Amino acid sequence: DAGITQSPRHKVTETGTPVTLRCHQTENHRYMYWYRQDPGHGLRLIHYSYGVKDTDKGEVSDGYSVSRSKTEDFLLTLESATSSQTSVYFCATAGQSYNEQFFGPGTRLTVL
Amino acid sequence: DAKTTQPTSMDCAEGRAANLPCNHSTISGNEYVYWYRQIHSQGPQYIIHGLKNNETNEMASLIITEDRKSSTLILPHATLRDTAVYYCIARLNNAGNMLTFGGGTRLMVKP
Repeated sequence: DAGITQSPRHKVTETGTPVTLRCHQTENHRYMYWYRQDPGHGLRLIHYSYGVKDTDKGEVSDGYSVSRSKTEDFLLTLESATSSQTSVYFCATAGQSYNEQFFGPGTRLTVL
Repeated sequence: DAKTTQPTSMDCAEGRAANLPCNHSTISGNEYVYWYRQIHSQGPQYIIHGLKNNETNEMASLIITEDRKSSTLILPHATLRDTAVYYCIARLNNAGNMLTFGGGTRLMVKP
């Protein structure tokens, strides 16, 4: 499972508050991804990283920012959470052979 | 990425082979066919991928038609733990290319 942990696993917050989700990996994988999963939409890419301090936008990046200051950590920040960001968030990693992405256990975020 | 079409749901008897079809008629020549699955409440799990040739690993076999417009994932001896949603994805093989998960096929393995 590539040693991926996500924290927190569950979070309830209020509209307008900032939220940071953390993804931590122990496999020294170069590539890291943040996805969200919603009913009817499948899994959609928010942002990804191809190295320390190298990030790029995915399909649904509006309202999200990311940072990667260390190989092992990839942070997803919602600057001002909205109810539309209620979702399950998955982190994934991939090594040099990026055929296979390894997914973390997910974070269930509820924005009231 | 090419669009893929999968049946919404399938049933399979435990111990029998599960054959999951996927249609990707608009796939381009350099797009790979990937299969992932997601067991309830867990993160997706990679199963197998291929370009043209049939592939086999410890989890499954992937059969791609000669014209590459469709493929079949085969779980040779399905168990109850194989109950999951299976996603077929056609994508270019590069790091920045996202995995686009559509609806997938909900496979129910029954005793």
